[in-house]
Amino acid sequence: GEQVEQRPPHLSVREGDSAVITCTYTDPNSYYFFWYKQEPGASLQLLMKVFSSTEINEGQGFTVLLNKKDKRLSLNLTAAHPGDSAAYFCAVSELRTNTGKLTFGDGTVLTVKP
Amino acid sequence: GPKVLQIPSHQIIDMGQMVTLNCDPVSNHLYFYWYKQILGQQMEFLVNFYNGKVMEKSKLFKDQFSVERPDGSYFTLKIQPTALEDSAVYFCASSLGQGAPLFGEGTRLSVL
Repeated sequence: GEQVEQRPPHLSVREGDSAVITCTYTDPNSYYFFWYKQEPGASLQLLMKVFSSTEINEGQGFTVLLNKKDKRLSLNLTAAHPGDSAAYFCAVSELRTNTGKLTFGDGTVLTVKP
Repeated sequence: GPKVLQIPSHQIIDMGQMVTLNCDPVSNHLYFYWYKQILGQQMEFLVNFYNGKVMEKSKLFKDQFSVERPDGSYFTLKIQPTALEDSAVYFCASSLGQGAPLFGEGTRLSVL
């Protein structure tokens, strides 16, 4: 089945710096890709859902890049601020069975220092 | 915005007892899921549920696990009997189908 590897497990940056989190996946049939943010004791908050047809997706303060050839998905937080401190998870889903069954990465704990 | 509510937030029980975790999904959502997250480890899919039936379950969904949503009420995960390795945070999620699942805040289950 699908396997998702996420790196790094921990990331510490200064306020204003960028932070990059990367996931690689194994299933070439993967079609939907998600990034979630989880603050301590809270639920997973969807940051972005991307489709396999779009390589670059921009959100508020971050960019998601998808490289299907290399099976790599990355989240780039530009100009991080302390409010971005949280755990971040990537998740992958097949088109064929896209009914919410997601395969998650192990997560990255991001700390943004003032 | 819409929310998935999970009750209780924390449950402590003795090994061998039965436990039911409750989830109140978003009202117009059609698909429901349970995920398990052991502390410090990744979120893992347990089961998804649609139109009153289990659609797919993982190898983590042991015979002691069951799910149901009687008459559109809570979507529940029942574990009977519980084992020590069932200790984890259980997340419920719901979706319309093609949309991203919306997750609840989780129920921390401690089996002693």
